[in-house]
Amino acid sequence: EDQVTQSPEALRLQEGESSSLNCSYTVSGLRGLFWYRQDPGKGPEFLFTLYSAGEEKEKERLKATLTKKESFLHITAPKPEDSATYLCAVSGGGADGLTFGKGTHLIIQP
Amino acid sequence: KAGVTQTPRYLIKTRGQQVTLSCSPISGHRSVSWYQQTPGQGLQFLFEYFSETQRNKGNFPGRFSGRQFSNSRSEMNVSTLELGDSALYLCASSLAWSGTYEQYFGPGTRLTVT
Repeated sequence: EDQVTQSPEALRLQEGESSSLNCSYTVSGLRGLFWYRQDPGKGPEFLFTLYSAGEEKEKERLKATLTKKESFLHITAPKPEDSATYLCAVSGGGADGLTFGKGTHLIIQP
Repeated sequence: KAGVTQTPRYLIKTRGQQVTLSCSPISGHRSVSWYQQTPGQGLQFLFEYFSETQRNKGNFPGRFSGRQFSNSRSEMNVSTLELGDSALYLCASSLAWSGTYEQYFGPGTRLTVT
């Protein structure tokens, strides 16, 4: 059974204070690892897909990296508008759709 | 390009009733997946449809069912509603099977069962 664990559950940062969110996973045959951002009352918004260890992707202040056991979402010099819940999901060799972690609730204080 | 749309956005039902939720995917997307989101369990996969066929199904009872039409629009149905079915139901579409293609989510339908 695929499993995804995200840490920390919640993180409060000052504006401009860089940090990283962790996503540890176990999956039989990784097909893809996905990062989403979810704002209150809205559906998740797609950020990145990573397919193999060593892969990195960037978008504005966000950078996602992937190893064989975990993925990191690095946030550089965050702004208050980066406040959201960040979700990690994996797709494995089985045919069970995406398995999501519980998310990291990120708050950026001005 | 229009995003994923879901109707209705909010719904209140009574225990024992049934409910049908609708999802229109992004134009050109042929795969539609459904998820249940609750504060305790997070996002859990319900099922996925591709070209009108159910490709896979999560660990939910048979009261949860779905279908997809030839225009890729999808519906999910929950029969004999229970209080624990109260949740945000999210629909997501992708170009093809979701294992490798990113999924784009709709705003969700907030279902409250009383």
